[in-house]
Amino acid sequence: DVKVTQSSRYLVKRTGEKVFLECVQDMDHENMFWYRQDPGLGLRLIYFSYDVKMKEKGDIPEGYSVSREKKERFSLILESASTNQTSMYLCATVDTEAFFGQGTRLTVV
Amino acid sequence: QQQVKQSPQSLIVQKGGISIINCAYENTAFDYFPWYQQFPGKGPALLIAIRPDVSEKKEGRFTISFNKSAKQFSLHIMDSQPGDSATYFCAASKEWGAQKLVFGQGTRLTINP
Repeated sequence: DVKVTQSSRYLVKRTGEKVFLECVQDMDHENMFWYRQDPGLGLRLIYFSYDVKMKEKGDIPEGYSVSREKKERFSLILESASTNQTSMYLCATVDTEAFFGQGTRLTVV
Repeated sequence: QQQVKQSPQSLIVQKGGISIINCAYENTAFDYFPWYQQFPGKGPALLIAIRPDVSEKKEGRFTISFNKSAKQFSLHIMDSQPGDSATYFCAASKEWGAQKLVFGQGTRLTINP
């Protein structure tokens, strides 16, 4: 079974903090994605990566950056957390289908 | 701009009934249409998917109906069970496979026993 592991289930951070969300996959997939999930909006793509050290912006990249130093690890970075970034964040790895992690519920206060 | 519109937002169905969730898309370049199921505290998981060269795909109690001319597709859950209670997302992408999926808004389905 594909395993996508997100480092935290719940996080509470203060406005202005730099926040790191980590994602690790164990299937040697090339493609990794970060989405955020909000009620009534579904999942929206933040950033994705097709290879190590490669990244591309998704539909809502503002306020975020990513890092992919190793194939199995894809990190989402909130440079200066704001309250409107309170959300559920989902990492996915993609082969012929998308496999999601369990999500990180981030609250920015 | 929501490229994939999903309805209803919430749905309550009696056990044994048929649950129907609808999606409409705008981009005719989409050629892969999956449905994802998400239980509380879990990430979404692929339920069933279809390509536009067929009008229907069935897997057990789950069926996707696809209408290319109307740019619409729907999920039918036959003989709905309480264990089907979850949030369902339709999605679409431009490439076969799950690259850069565009998701609908989600439907919270509740099956009453």
